[in-house]
Amino acid sequence: AQSVTQLGSHVSVSEGALVLLRCNYSSSVPPYLFWYVQYPNQGLQLLLKYTTGATLVKGINGFEAEFKKSETSFHLTKPSAHMSDAAEYFCAVRWRRSQGNLIFGKGTKLSVKP
Amino acid sequence: DTEVTQTPKHLVMGMTNKKSLKCEQHMGHRAMYWYKQKAKKPPELMFVYSYEKLSINESVPSRFSPECPNSSLLNLHLHALQPEDSALYLCASSRDSGLVVNEQFFGPGTRLTVL
Repeated sequence: AQSVTQLGSHVSVSEGALVLLRCNYSSSVPPYLFWYVQYPNQGLQLLLKYTTGATLVKGINGFEAEFKKSETSFHLTKPSAHMSDAAEYFCAVRWRRSQGNLIFGKGTKLSVKP
Repeated sequence: DTEVTQTPKHLVMGMTNKKSLKCEQHMGHRAMYWYKQKAKKPPELMFVYSYEKLSINESVPSRFSPECPNSSLLNLHLHALQPEDSALYLCASSRDSGLVVNEQFFGPGTRLTVL
């Protein structure tokens, strides 16, 4: 069955440290892949997306993600965490033959310690 | 204008009330979506409108009634809700919902509490 999994419901890093948030999908055909961020009491903001082409995708706020087909992964990284990065992060997929539905992972809450 | 607006920001209603949530976008997008998000959970798709026609209804109870009066507006009419319907209701839009991938832009949501 097709699914999207985020490993780790809560990740805590120190300010200035590397941020790594994991996302894996389960599908024989790679989906379109997205990362969204949600700050408390706000809607979702798109960080970046992968559809086709270059597998390393750069997004806003210094985030990037790499699509690895062999590992069925789309992990989100940022070299140096900032306090303002503390938020909930959702990986989302859209299966290639679907009608636009985004399927979200369960989310990872990122905490940044001073 | 790259914004999706939602009103009201907060809504408290009793189980016998009728209320409506409103969503608006002026990006020329032809697909609009309603999601429900419970606390500490990901958003769950409720409805998709494509070119002002309802294209997806994810088996949502009839006490939720969507309406798309025009290409910029999306409403969600609420009637006889239950306390478990309390959640953040998110609206989103995209250029279209077809096979061409377009990212969805989300509004800030309406925080609904049902007493």
